[in-house]
Amino acid sequence: VHLVESGGGLVQPGGSLRLSCAASGYTFTSHEMNWVRQSPGKGLEWVSYISDSGSTMYYADSVKGRFTISRDNAKNLLYLQMNSLRAEDTAVYYCARRFDRWGQGTLVTVSS
Amino acid sequence: IVLTQSPGTLSLSPGERATLSCRASQSISAGYLAWHQQRPGQAPRLLIYGASIRATGIPDRFSGSGSGTDFTLTISRLEPEDFAVYYCQYYRSSPYSFGQGTKLEIK
Repeated sequence: VHLVESGGGLVQPGGSLRLSCAASGYTFTSHEMNWVRQSPGKGLEWVSYISDSGSTMYYADSVKGRFTISRDNAKNLLYLQMNSLRAEDTAVYYCARRFDRWGQGTLVTVSS
Repeated sequence: IVLTQSPGTLSLSPGERATLSCRASQSISAGYLAWHQQRPGQAPRLLIYGASIRATGIPDRFSGSGSGTDFTLTISRLEPEDFAVYYCQYYRSSPYSFGQGTKLEIK
């Protein structure tokens, strides 16, 4: 199982960013996926969930209405579209297969 | 569900036994309680799921127990690589909350 996040970087407050997570080594379509973030020096915060088919999504209150999770099962890709970004969204973002396998994370910094 | 871990920091020596606690704000199903380990600079790694089932490749010095509102992760004999931050998590339904973490440091 291999999960590789990409798409992080520096963005201004109010800006947008799309994260990707490339999955390999298992049947992507059989597993739910999540995004979890970790602000600098802080603990883990669950961000969003998507079912194996992509038909069901959940969001943390802190990102609801601003972030959108999606997946492309044909390409084994998971996405997180992040809009209206705030300073408090600064974090390392991890994708996780259910919660049993984790990627290495991608850093998002929201700053002017 | 709010998960509260204690202590915040635990200072022990290699070879000692570590006991980490996770308390839920209300009774939860043990079948959906997990423990994750995060070493410095690394991604989290699943240690225990279903409160007491070791994940693939996890050494048997790690064990989990508990029910209702009180859960425990025990490391029987600490190895140098065990000094890390440990998080409990409830994953039955959204929001999939984490505890705030316990830092296990070398004394």
